[in-house]
Amino acid sequence: GENVEQHPSTLSVQEGDSAVIKCTYSDSASNYFPWYKQELGKRPQLIIDIRSNVGEKKDQRIAVTLNKTAKHFSLHITETQPEDSAVYFCAASYPGDQAGTALIFGKGTTLSVSS
Amino acid sequence: DSGVTQTPKHLITATGQRVTLRCSPRSGDLSVYWYQQSLDQGLQFLIQYYNGEERAKGNILERFSAQQFPDLHSELNLSSLELGDSALYFCASSVDQAIGNTIYFGEGSWLTVV
Repeated sequence: GENVEQHPSTLSVQEGDSAVIKCTYSDSASNYFPWYKQELGKRPQLIIDIRSNVGEKKDQRIAVTLNKTAKHFSLHITETQPEDSAVYFCAASYPGDQAGTALIFGKGTTLSVSS
Repeated sequence: DSGVTQTPKHLITATGQRVTLRCSPRSGDLSVYWYQQSLDQGLQFLIQYYNGEERAKGNILERFSAQQFPDLHSELNLSSLELGDSALYFCASSVDQAIGNTIYFGEGSWLTVV
C-alpha cells in the first residue's frame, strides 16, 4: 500500500521567512496530492492540491511542486505570518483494492512562525 | 463549518467497552472516510464507504467495524476498547470516489479510554 513520508516534523521560522515542507510517496499509481492545514483542536482543512499531470501550482503565498519521477512533492509558504502556525499534512491518493479512493497522510509538520 | 457532522464530540469510556461514533456527510456526498488521529501516528486512514459499500480499507483493527446506511450516514464501531484506542476519530466525506475530489473533514470525536 501507499506510504507517505513527511519532513521535517517541526519547523520554526521568523515572520516573513519562507517555509518548505517535503514529502515522498511510495506508490507510483498515486496521482493526487493535497495539503491540509490543521490548527490546534480543529479539523484538517485543504489549502492546496496538485494532480500528477501538473508540476507546480500556486495560490497567493503558497505553492506546491511535484516530481513524479522522484515521487516527491513539496509545500512552499512565502512571507510567513503568525497565523500560518499550524500542523501541515501532505497526502497522496490511495488506489484502494476495491476501486475506492482515499488519502494516505504523512505524519505532519508543526510550523511555528514567530513575530 | 465543513458540513460533516460527527457525534459525540467527546466520549470517555472504560477498557473492554464498546462505543459507536456517528457521522453525517455533507449534503450530496456519497463517500465517507474514517480516520484516526493520535499524537504519534498522525492521520491514519481506517476505511472508506461509497454509497453504502466498502471501497477501501486501511489500518483498521479487527475490533473496529464500520458501515454506511441507506441515508448515507456512517457509524464506526469500536469494541473491546484498549487504552491505546484513545484518539481523535475523524469522519470525512467527498461528493464521490473520483480521485481529486476534495475530502472534507468533520470536527472529530474525541475518545478517551480509561
